[in-house]
Amino acid sequence: KAGVTQTPRYLIKTRGQQVTLSCSPISGHRSVSWYQQTPGQGLQFLFEYFSETQRNKGNFPGRFSGRQFSNSRSEMNVSTLELGDSALYLCASSPELAGTDTQYFGPGTRLTVL
Amino acid sequence: QKEVEQNSGPLSVPEGAIASLNCTYSDRGSQSFFWYRQYSGKSPELIMSIYSNGDKEDGRFTAQLNKASQYVSLLIRDSQPSDSATYLCAVNTGTASKLTFGTGTRLQVTL
Repeated sequence: KAGVTQTPRYLIKTRGQQVTLSCSPISGHRSVSWYQQTPGQGLQFLFEYFSETQRNKGNFPGRFSGRQFSNSRSEMNVSTLELGDSALYLCASSPELAGTDTQYFGPGTRLTVL
Repeated sequence: QKEVEQNSGPLSVPEGAIASLNCTYSDRGSQSFFWYRQYSGKSPELIMSIYSNGDKEDGRFTAQLNKASQYVSLLIRDSQPSDSATYLCAVNTGTASKLTFGTGTRLQVTL
């Protein structure tokens, strides 16, 4: 079974621009979560989608948003980019089966904001 | 107090030795516990999940959970240089698919 895929893998943007990142979960997985990883803050939860609905949201400003499509693919958008948004953005999918909530990570998108 | 705490290391162990990685968490309602391994420049890779008190073994890896002490650990037996990585402890409090991560412990296995 193919793993979680994320596109693009690398992205360079300038301050003030916006960016859209894409994530395709493992086939059959309906839950998709997004995380930001920086050297200073570590891995931080952004939000989680299940059946096209946002179920959980972390403590990030409204510039960070996401959505999920009917095929479970998800996108996250960051508007008005700031230098501090430079990070590795990770997507994880979960099967959401009874008794297991294990999350499997994609390779990530490395965003650099200049 | 951080929700999930790990010693950042580096933890240095000789090849063939047992590496012991520790993690404490603050939320007593936590239900699921995970260990991920992350190589430099790569994404986290699941090693173990544990849900009940006690030990869970998978090959060279053993996860230990003590909910009364709010403590979870990972033992790596017969450590290999390829085990050198950052090990992340993650906790799910039960609020569906929201993991809280520790800052990770960097493990170095020396020849």
